[in-house]
Amino acid sequence: DTEVTQTPKHLVMGMTNKKSLKCEQHMGHRAMYWYKQKAKKPPELMFVYSYEKLSINESVPSRFSPECPNSSLLNLHLHALQPEDSALYLCASSQGQRLGSYEQYFGPGTRLTVT
Amino acid sequence: GQQVMQIPQYQHVQEGEDFTTYCNSSTTLSNIQWYKQRPGGHPVFLIQLVKSGEVKKQKRLTFQFGEAKKNSSLHITATQTTDVGTYFCAGLGSSNYKLTFGKGTLLTVNP
Repeated sequence: DTEVTQTPKHLVMGMTNKKSLKCEQHMGHRAMYWYKQKAKKPPELMFVYSYEKLSINESVPSRFSPECPNSSLLNLHLHALQPEDSALYLCASSQGQRLGSYEQYFGPGTRLTVT
Repeated sequence: GQQVMQIPQYQHVQEGEDFTTYCNSSTTLSNIQWYKQRPGGHPVFLIQLVKSGEVKKQKRLTFQFGEAKKNSSLHITATQTTDVGTYFCAGLGSSNYKLTFGKGTLLTVNP
């Protein structure tokens, strides 16, 4: 199974809402990533978990809170977002030994709209 | 910080024509990866190049890594409508941990 799944596919939320994005992989990968992608732009790295520990936070605002409950799951908790946070949120996974040295498998993404 | 420039930003071709996209890094890279993202889709890994001067082929796609490991190219021979999408290069710097993505080249193919 070389699939990364993400739920929900679409999410519309108000600026005062709290919501969570979920990501799951069963490839035994020990590195998992959250990216944000705006239209016509490349993916922008937000967080990296390696062996279930947060290893990289690319100075992301605290209204985004990642969580890695186990080696197969990755969550992104959202609170008090701004309209400019509307984007496609992509989860990815890879082998964990050296970040960036292995191909990343991307999920289909959650398209988030903040109203 | 590390920058990866990718050109062209857009390329429109007639089906059957060739296509090339180029990436240039401001620093030497440990490796470079290529991804394809179809319209409305997510990035899909195509290939990774690691060695200086490396050339790899996948059917009609040819990938090259420069001798100085600072540039790379993707060439598609005889494009088909199924080649439509945005092609991203992503480089890993020698001293850092994350892939730096180029801005991508959007390829459209006229049948």
